[in-house]
Amino acid sequence: QSVLTQPPSVSAAPGQKVTISCSGSSSNIGNNYVSWYQQLPGTAPKLLIYENNKRPSGIPDRFSGSKSGTSATLGITGLQTGDEADYYCGTWDSSLSVYVFGTGTKVTVL
Amino acid sequence: EVQLLESGGGLVQPGGSLRLSCAASGLIFSNYAINWVRQAPGKGLEWVSGISGSGGRTYYADSVKGRFTISRDNSKNTLYLQMNSLRAEDTAVYYCAKDVVDTAMGSWGQGTLVTVSS
Repeated sequence: QSVLTQPPSVSAAPGQKVTISCSGSSSNIGNNYVSWYQQLPGTAPKLLIYENNKRPSGIPDRFSGSKSGTSATLGITGLQTGDEADYYCGTWDSSLSVYVFGTGTKVTVL
Repeated sequence: EVQLLESGGGLVQPGGSLRLSCAASGLIFSNYAINWVRQAPGKGLEWVSGISGSGGRTYYADSVKGRFTISRDNSKNTLYLQMNSLRAEDTAVYYCAKDVVDTAMGSWGQGTLVTVSS
């Protein structure tokens, strides 16, 4: 059972924007950097955002991350059909000494 | 380019054992912490275990503590996961994933499927 809560699904039309929330606690998001991962159907996850708001090389600036208190948010602008995937937040939990992933959010492009 | 290649998955009976391997290339292997992450069919990601670059520090999810052992051989650029006392709920695709920073996994293998069933 994950300690990071995400909405099961979000959807929007092509070109629109979606945001995905990730809610945790002081032992995880509140005191550690948050990462976001994209998992396209049938493939391994890929890192999209690290240290709350940094993008690895090759990740377009349509993807953005932010954190406030014990919650984090992933934003995707200019939505494309290729963005249809499952998205997970993740961070270290200092109390449990484990890495925790969010429950996952499926993005659908209408 | 960093490449991670898992192997060792397969079908095993409940209570059995299996050892997964993750061969790495394109990086100074000993510089990086590496993790095992699994995904049960149709389910989300679950972190299983992590190990520091030197191998001196290891971490486990409660669900596998005492049954799984993570290790690495830096001379062979290879990560291992010894899985004992396997249960049906351990059935999943197992990925190895390299840390890019402490709280982010920047490179992932393609995964290896472990099926625990009689």
